[in-house]
Amino acid sequence: SAVISQKPSRDICQRGTSLTIQCQVDSQVTMMFWYRQQPGQSLTLIATANQGSEATYESGFVIDKFPISRPNLTFSTLTVSNMSPEDSSIYLCSVLQGMGSYEQYFGPGTRLTVT
Amino acid sequence: AQSVTQLGSHVSVSEGALVLLRCNYSSSVPPYLFWYVQYPNQGLQLLLKYTTGATLVKGINGFEAEFKKSETSFHLTKPSAHMSDAAEYFCAVSATGTASKLTFGTGTRLQVTL
Repeated sequence: SAVISQKPSRDICQRGTSLTIQCQVDSQVTMMFWYRQQPGQSLTLIATANQGSEATYESGFVIDKFPISRPNLTFSTLTVSNMSPEDSSIYLCSVLQGMGSYEQYFGPGTRLTVT
Repeated sequence: AQSVTQLGSHVSVSEGALVLLRCNYSSSVPPYLFWYVQYPNQGLQLLLKYTTGATLVKGINGFEAEFKKSETSFHLTKPSAHMSDAAEYFCAVSATGTASKLTFGTGTRLQVTL
C-alpha cells in the first residue's frame, strides 16, 4: 500500500490567516482526495484533487475557501483560507493507488486549531 | 446516493468478549462497503472491504464482516477483544465500480476493559 505523509502534522493558527497542508505519496497514484474531520465527527469529502486541472469540489465546499493543487501524481496541497474557529478540524488526504483500485489509503492527518 | 448508519456511538466490551459493531447502509446501486479503524491521533487504516463475491470478508487483526443484502447491513465482528482494539471504527460505502466517493458513518468508539 502507498505510504502517505502530511505536513504539518498539527498547527495553531489565528483567525483570518491561511494554512497550506501538503500531502506526499511515495508512489504515483491515480486519484487523491481531501477530507475534513470536525471534532467528534465523521469524515466529509472536501474535494478530489485532479492532476493538472482544477479540483472537483463536493457540495458545501468552494475553491475560494479550500484551494487545492495537484502538480503531479505524488503530491497535492490543500489551503484553508481566511480561517475561522469553525475550520478547526483534522484534514486528511487519501489516495486510490491504481486503476480499478477500490481501496483508499489515508494519510495521518493535519490537526488544525484556529484561535 | 449512499448513506451509512452506525448504531451506537460508544461500545464497551470486556477483554476476550465478542466485538460487534453495527453498520447499515442505504444505496441506490449495489454498494462497495468498507470498515476503517482510527487509533488516537492517527489516520484511518483499512480493516476490510466488500466489493463482490463472498459475503463474509476477513480483514486484519482478526476482524471480519458479513454483507447481508436483505438486511442492508455490514456488521463488524471479532470473536475475542483485545485491549489494543480500542479505537474509533468507521463504516463507509461507495457506489459499485468506484471507491472514489466514500460516504462515512458517524463512527463507533470501542472501549475494551479488563
